Amino acid sequence: QVQLVQSGDEVKKPGASVSVSCKASGYTFTSHGIAWVRQARGQGPEWMGWISVNNGRTEYGKKFQGRVSMTTDTSTATAYMELRSLTSDDTAVYYCVRDGYYDSRKKWRGSDAFDSWGQGTVVTVSS
Amino acid sequence: DLVMTQSPLSLPVTLGQSASISCRSSHSLVYDDGITYLNWFQQRPGQSPRRLIYQVSNRDSGVPDRFSGGGSVTDFTLRISRVEAEDVGVYFCMQGTRWPNTFGQGTKLEIK
Repeated sequence: QVQLVQSGDEVKKPGASVSVSCKASGYTFTSHGIAWVRQARGQGPEWMGWISVNNGRTEYGKKFQGRVSMTTDTSTATAYMELRSLTSDDTAVYYCVRDGYYDSRKKWRGSDAFDSWGQGTVVTVSS
Repeated sequence: DLVMTQSPLSLPVTLGQSASISCRSSHSLVYDDGITYLNWFQQRPGQSPRRLIYQVSNRDSGVPDRFSGGGSVTDFTLRISRVEAEDVGVYFCMQGTRWPNTFGQGTKLEIK
C-alpha cells in the first residue's frame, strides 16, 4: 500500500531553517508529484508547493517563494522540504502528500492527487 | 488565488440523519482537459486528512457509499447519508485545478 513516512518533530528558534523528509513506498515514486501542505493549529490546510519527481520542476506558493526549497532523491524515494528564516507564524504541522504529475505528453495526471498523506511533522518555532 | 468558501462551518447532526456541506469556488474549477479537480477530505482529531472524493464525485477505495459528491463548475456539495459516530471530524473541500491549490475553511461535523 502507498505510504509516506515523514521525519520527526522539530523545535527551532526564530531565524533558523528546518528540513523535513518524506520517504515514499508502495508505488512508483517517479510517476507522481509530491506536494507539501502545512496546517496551523485549528486552521485549514495551506498549500506550500509541488515538485515533479521525474524532472525536479517545482511550483511554490507566493508566500513561500525565496524561503522554501523542495527536492527529491529518486535513489531512496525520498522528498525533502526546507523552510528558511523561520518565524513563530511557521509553527504548524507539515505534511507531504502524493500529487499529480505531467506525463511525457505534458498532460496532467491528477486522479491520484492528494490521495495519500504523510503522518505529519510538527514544527515549533519558539525563542 | 482561487477562494474556496464552505458552509456551514459547524454542522450538528443526529445519528442516522443526513448531512450536506456546500463548497463554492470564486472561479470555474474546470481544467484545460475538461476535468474538474475538486476533492473532499475528512480529518479526524489528531489524524492526517483523508481523501474521500476526487474529481467532484468519485469515491475513494474504502469510503462508505454513504458519502457522495456532486456539483459542477463553481458549486459543489458533499452529502453524508445516515451519519454515524465515526463521521465526526472536520471536512474540507480543495481545488486542484489551479496553483496554488486552495482549501475551504473546513466544516466541523459533530453529533447532537
